[in-house]
Amino acid sequence: DQQVKQNSPSLSVQEGRISILNCDYTNSMFDYFLWYKKYPAEGPTFLISISSIKDKNEDGRFTVFLNKSAKHLSLHIVPSQPGDSAVYFCAASRFRQGAQKLVFGQGTRLTINP
Amino acid sequence: GAVVSQHPSRVICKSGTSVKIECRSLDFQATTMFWYRQFPKQSLMLMATSNEGSKATYEQGVEKDKFLINHASLTLSTLTVTSAHPEDSSFYICSARGPKTGGAWSVPANYGYTFGSGTRLTVV
Repeated sequence: DQQVKQNSPSLSVQEGRISILNCDYTNSMFDYFLWYKKYPAEGPTFLISISSIKDKNEDGRFTVFLNKSAKHLSLHIVPSQPGDSAVYFCAASRFRQGAQKLVFGQGTRLTINP
Repeated sequence: GAVVSQHPSRVICKSGTSVKIECRSLDFQATTMFWYRQFPKQSLMLMATSNEGSKATYEQGVEKDKFLINHASLTLSTLTVTSAHPEDSSFYICSARGPKTGGAWSVPANYGYTFGSGTRLTVV
């Protein structure tokens, strides 16, 4: 049962434009969500997070939006840069209930074209 | 701060042998460490969670006798793949959680999670 889903395996965006990566989840008990960027043969690098009590969090070029009623979150990157080309994973957890583990989506490969 | 070192980055071993992967938190004490496995173009699958000084908790479907996890100190966890076979070839990633000071994570935004750089295991 895939509790966290990233339905787009890949996304191609022009440099300077907005990249929007989507993530859906099925477990309404998830209360914290994180986005990671990953290059091949490397560990994930943390980008931005959001708790379920918020609907938006912004950090520089990265903004995460959370729609709890739709069980959907999205990561916006503006403006997109060539260095943003990587695989992006969303992850969810139930920290408030004392859970420690992160549940990851399948990832979306973002390619920024010059 | 909050750096996790994973070693080796790449290892090739013969079928039937065992291989050990180390995960160290360099500048903090990790209360909990996690081991993930990633197949090509797939998600990170949690294999087990370990707390210092206690037995690891394995996820369903992960063979504990195959993947031995030792968390002997607050800065070191090891994953040993025993009697490795080609199907064990994969990318293994560790993550350490901590530190927490005064009830707050040192990097609040990431809730204390720091990932290692991963180990590419190839069994021939």
